[in-house]
Amino acid sequence: GQQVMQIPQYQHVQEGEDFTTYCNSSTTLSNIQWYKQRPGGHPVFLIQLVKSGEVKKQKRLTFQFGEAKKNSSLHITATQTTDVGTYFCAANWGAQKLVFGQGTRLTINP
Amino acid sequence: SAVISQKPSRDICQRGTSLTIQCQVDSQVTMMFWYRQQPGQSLTLIATANQGSEATYESGFVIDKFPISRPNLTFSTLTVSNMSPEDSSIYLCSGETGNYGYTFGSGTRLTVV
Repeated sequence: GQQVMQIPQYQHVQEGEDFTTYCNSSTTLSNIQWYKQRPGGHPVFLIQLVKSGEVKKQKRLTFQFGEAKKNSSLHITATQTTDVGTYFCAANWGAQKLVFGQGTRLTINP
Repeated sequence: SAVISQKPSRDICQRGTSLTIQCQVDSQVTMMFWYRQQPGQSLTLIATANQGSEATYESGFVIDKFPISRPNLTFSTLTVSNMSPEDSSIYLCSGETGNYGYTFGSGTRLTVV
């Protein structure tokens, strides 16, 4: 079935360092969404990317959608302890249902 | 964006019994979905809950095991039937809210003993 690969599975950084997680699909996506799940919480929507080559920013977070609409990335600049959690990409191939990547668990050393 | 109230938040159940999880949305949503998440793992889609018709199940999930109802655009239930310890997991409902992505309920942590 359709799936989206996300790497890395884990990332531990010092506070203030940058962080990036990547998602890749073998087939073209309709759109891709990003979610953050805090420990013990539920996924919370961050953003949706729809257009080829799209770049969106939310404060220290930068989201990119590849030109071929097969890959995406989330970059956090100068991480803070509040950024701790698991970041999921979620792919859509036009059927409205979302397929989630494996997630990247971010831990931060203060 | 919509707010989804999910209950129960957790339960411990005997094997062979069934549990029904409810999700109530504070506004109408076109699409609702049910996911399962093992602790520390990703979310696996169980089914799409269709309003007024049978749910659409993903590979590996069947209606007899996970019957779903969606009588209107703000409410859905998932039943986990004839439970075994392998059904222990977190179950999440979600609703598609347009530009606000998918909103999730707070989850039901199920333990089967």
